Amino acid sequence: DVKVTQSSRYLVKRTGEKVFLECVQDMDHENMFWYRQDPGLGLRLIYFSYDVKMKEKGDIPEGYSVSREKKERFSLILESASTNQTSMYLCASSPGTKYEQYFGPGTRLTVT
Amino acid sequence: GENVEQHPSTLSVQEGDSAVIKCTYSDSASNYFPWYKQELGKRPQLIIDIRSNVGEKKDQRIAVTLNKTAKHFSLHITETQPEDSAVYFCAASMDTGGFKTIFGAGTRLFVKA
Repeated sequence: DVKVTQSSRYLVKRTGEKVFLECVQDMDHENMFWYRQDPGLGLRLIYFSYDVKMKEKGDIPEGYSVSREKKERFSLILESASTNQTSMYLCASSPGTKYEQYFGPGTRLTVT
Repeated sequence: GENVEQHPSTLSVQEGDSAVIKCTYSDSASNYFPWYKQELGKRPQLIIDIRSNVGEKKDQRIAVTLNKTAKHFSLHITETQPEDSAVYFCAASMDTGGFKTIFGAGTRLFVKA
């Protein structure tokens, strides 16, 4: 069974703080993704990575950065959190481009 | 850029009826079309997928059809049950010029007992 875990289920941060969200997968998948999920907007891709140290911008990368130093771990960084980044953040991994994505449980981030 | 439109945003059916959710995509390079189900408070999980060389795929009560010419694909759920109540997301993926998956906005399905 593929397991994708995220470092926190709930997180509350203050405006301007630097925020780290971590995602770990245990199936040696090449691809990893970060999405944010907002009501009525579906899942929007922030960044994805297709290999260690490789990353590509998704549709909404502004205000975010990512790091993938090891194959199993993909981190999302909010350099200076803002209230409009309050959202549910979902990490996912997949073995290839035309294969299922396995999602983590999500991190509900509130920025006050 | 690539866009995926999903309709309807909300769907309410009586238990035992069929439910149909439709999606259209804009980039003809899309070649993989998964459908995910997200129950309340849980993570999205794949329920069925179809690749661009296939027109239809069925798995028990769930089927997906793909019309590449019209660039649309649909999810069909027959004999709906209360446990089918969830949010369903369609997606379109391509692997030319960089890999990308674009999700639709989701359809909230209510199945009334």
